[in-house]
Amino acid sequence: GQSLEQPSEVTAVEGAIVQINCTYQTSGFYGLSWYQQHDGGAPTFLSYNALDGLEETGRFSSFLSRSDSYGYLLLQELQMKDSASYFCATNFNKFYFGSGTKLNVKP
Amino acid sequence: EAGVAQSPRYKIIEKRQSVAFWCNPISGHATLYWYQQILGQGPKLLIQFQNNGVVDDSQLPKDRFSAERLKGVDSTLKIQPAKLEDSAVYLCASSRIGGARQETQYFGPGTRLLVL
Repeated sequence: GQSLEQPSEVTAVEGAIVQINCTYQTSGFYGLSWYQQHDGGAPTFLSYNALDGLEETGRFSSFLSRSDSYGYLLLQELQMKDSASYFCATNFNKFYFGSGTKLNVKP
Repeated sequence: EAGVAQSPRYKIIEKRQSVAFWCNPISGHATLYWYQQILGQGPKLLIQFQNNGVVDDSQLPKDRFSAERLKGVDSTLKIQPAKLEDSAVYLCASSRIGGARQETQYFGPGTRLLVL
């Protein structure tokens, strides 16, 4: 089976850096994706890691350690508009999503 | 390019009634997904189509849910009869290939279903 664990909620201030962790247990694994979802909106793709290491896309970075079954999403220079839920998802022929981390950015 | 289209955006029905949702994926995308997202949870895959064939429907409650993707383009998801626990957002997504190691899914705005 598949399971993904994320913290349910994280709070940070504008301009800060925040890290959202994801640990997974899967019977197969191609890679780890991250999606952002604003309240009432659709999930949108942020990042994907297939290999160990860091992937950087602007203010967002994502990290994967396959040996530890662990990854994280790093958000830098937080802005109010980053307040949303963030989901990690594994892909092995089909997608499994974590339960999501609600990020609250405060002024 | 146009995104994934879904309708209706909202639906309120009483339990035991039936309901249908429609999805039109991004043009040229071979793979279409239906997800159920209950408030406060992550999306749960219900069914995945590759063109007009079913790739995975292991989490689809087949006694009440059905889905089809005729001609490999748009798709409908039906619930009959609905239960209170079916209240959720139903998300449709599409991707170019499906089953690939790196595959970005593009989600539609979803249909919010409330069963009373």
